[in-house]
Amino acid sequence: DAKTTQPPSMDCAEGRAANLPCNHSTISGNEYVYWYRQIHSQGPQYIIHGLKNNETNEMASLIITEDRKSSTLILPHATLRDTAVYYCIVSSPWGKKLTFGTGTRLTIIP
Amino acid sequence: DSGVTQTPKHLITATGQRVTLRCSPRSGDLSVYWYQQSLDQGLQFLIQYYNGEERAKGNILERFSAQQFPDLHSELNLSSLELGDSALYFCASSLTRQGDASEAFFGQGTRLTVV
Repeated sequence: DAKTTQPPSMDCAEGRAANLPCNHSTISGNEYVYWYRQIHSQGPQYIIHGLKNNETNEMASLIITEDRKSSTLILPHATLRDTAVYYCIVSSPWGKKLTFGTGTRLTIIP
Repeated sequence: DSGVTQTPKHLITATGQRVTLRCSPRSGDLSVYWYQQSLDQGLQFLIQYYNGEERAKGNILERFSAQQFPDLHSELNLSSLELGDSALYFCASSLTRQGDASEAFFGQGTRLTVV
């Protein structure tokens, strides 16, 4: 699986959009980009995933660049409950393991 | 609620002992993954099972073993426990058909404390 690079930490004001970047320059053609978050010591929570098109669901939007070498997770209106560690993962389909890196610790500031 | 159930939630045991952690995947999910997270550390992939067979292996110690049963629940067995095995152990499940990029859903974990 391709390696990902994320900033170790970010702050965002409550109510604003939180934009979390991820670099995955070695991504291969059949690999998807997944985003998870972990709040304190809870189980990681799935957020969204995509292959090459931008994706949106009730939690977030995922923007993938045309060359697929980077992506951005957007939380449109951040709340204090969005404070968590966010993980960007690149993985092939067909059930291969999800390898978690160190993620980005996002802090939402009141 | 992710639909993945892990038991027990907490476990305290002594060094040298053996424990079994249990995971019930979401209904219909065929794949089960096990992860270890030590204090303030990242999630380390241990092992994956798909429909009863081992599919991928990570940094799992020889003292650890796992299996997935015909009803698709899984157990992680940890033996000859050491203080350093104290950690959160997470199970995840996904549907995972060939070519399917289905997401994995995680349980709330078992917190193991070895004293």
